[in-house]
Amino acid sequence: GAVVSQHPSWVICKSGTSVKIECRSLDFQATTMFWYRQFPKQSLMLMATSNEGSKATYEQGVEKDKFLINHASLTLSTLTVTSAHPEDSSFYICSARDPLSGYEQYFGPGTRLTVT
Amino acid sequence: GQNIDQPTEMTATEGAIVQINCTYQTSGFNGLFWYQQHAGEAPTFLSYNVLDGLEEKGRFSSFLSRSKGYSYLLLKELQMKDSASYLCAVLPPNDYKLSFGAGTTVTVRA
Repeated sequence: GAVVSQHPSWVICKSGTSVKIECRSLDFQATTMFWYRQFPKQSLMLMATSNEGSKATYEQGVEKDKFLINHASLTLSTLTVTSAHPEDSSFYICSARDPLSGYEQYFGPGTRLTVT
Repeated sequence: GQNIDQPTEMTATEGAIVQINCTYQTSGFNGLFWYQQHAGEAPTFLSYNVLDGLEEKGRFSSFLSRSKGYSYLLLKELQMKDSASYLCAVLPPNDYKLSFGAGTTVTVRA
């Protein structure tokens, strides 16, 4: 099946710094990728939809200037958390859609971000 | 808007059967997914239903009734490794954004 990777798998950073998370589709071209955030014991909350070659579409309440998304190629999308604060500590998961495989989304393994 | 409900927690014994219900009230419908998520890991795909009826895949089965806005995931012959969170997600028409329910934590006990 389709494989999606994320890097790093976990990261600890200091408050005020920026962190970049990469999401790659390894064996297919993903025209659309999604970024989710998940707090402990809660479900996935969609943050934004990332489309290759165009601006990301953010969900209501998600600050686009704080969570910068770049989808520069058909296999790579990046999420940069700028000026991170402790409340940004969460599990960030990306998913990618293979346009040749219908509606299924393939999830990356997630990135655990801890801001101290 | 999307409103997707599923029970918060369920506990069952190893070898038993558990049924996780999901009801949805959404503005449009183009299919329902079930995902399994172990703690600290990403969700993994279990099933996708777009037509009414039951689909069986080994120990897991998923059912959909579009007229009732209802689905269930049936886990048979429970194993300890089935302890996880099970997420119900609805796909709207003309879009690929999934709306997730809060998830049901299933605990399998020996």
